[in-house]
Amino acid sequence: AQSVTQLDSHVSVSEGTPVLLRCNYSSSYSPSLFWYVQHPNKGLQLLLKYTSAATLVKGINGFEAEFKKSETSFHLTKPSAHMSDAAEYFCVVTGGNFNKFYFGSGTKLNVKP
Amino acid sequence: EAGVTQFPSHSVIEKGQTVTLRCDPISGHDNLYWYRRVMGKEIKFLLHFVKESKQDESGMPNNRFLAERTGGTYSTLKVQPAELEDSGVYFCASSQAGAGGETQYFGPGTRLLVL
Repeated sequence: AQSVTQLDSHVSVSEGTPVLLRCNYSSSYSPSLFWYVQHPNKGLQLLLKYTSAATLVKGINGFEAEFKKSETSFHLTKPSAHMSDAAEYFCVVTGGNFNKFYFGSGTKLNVKP
Repeated sequence: EAGVTQFPSHSVIEKGQTVTLRCDPISGHDNLYWYRRVMGKEIKFLLHFVKESKQDESGMPNNRFLAERTGGTYSTLKVQPAELEDSGVYFCASSQAGAGGETQYFGPGTRLLVL
């Protein structure tokens, strides 16, 4: 069985401060893990992807995530938030012979000026 | 290269009516997926096509939903008759052929409201 838990439904940070969005996963397989972002009235955009290569994955717009198998976590971080980062972020797991994605419930990031 | 497109972007219908959603995947992508997000819930898998064949339709809620992918190109998702609980955002995604774990590229979604 596969599942994802995003630990915070809302996160609020000030512009220029670090961002941490937390994700824990459960998988019976060697997982592939993704972070997607959805800006208001837009589609889902891929931020980054982990597929058993390097455990620290760098994505677009300065985001990165670290795969920690012992903690079954895949938290998303960014050193300095920008106003344009305000959006909803989704952690996704897939694996095995199955292609379907299992989504977390999403974390809405608010960036204050 | 064009991304995944979906039509319409919004649809408002009355309970009992029929609605058909369309998805055009990225050219050359054999895999096509449908997902749905009901308000307040997580995005959930509906079904997966490989070319024109249904690989996995375990997420389809009931037999009011019918998905097709004619000729392995675009796909349609028909809801007939629509019920209030069908309201939500329907996403389509596509990916290249592979053994699993491929990146899925999502369309902008169709926002369906059933009154």
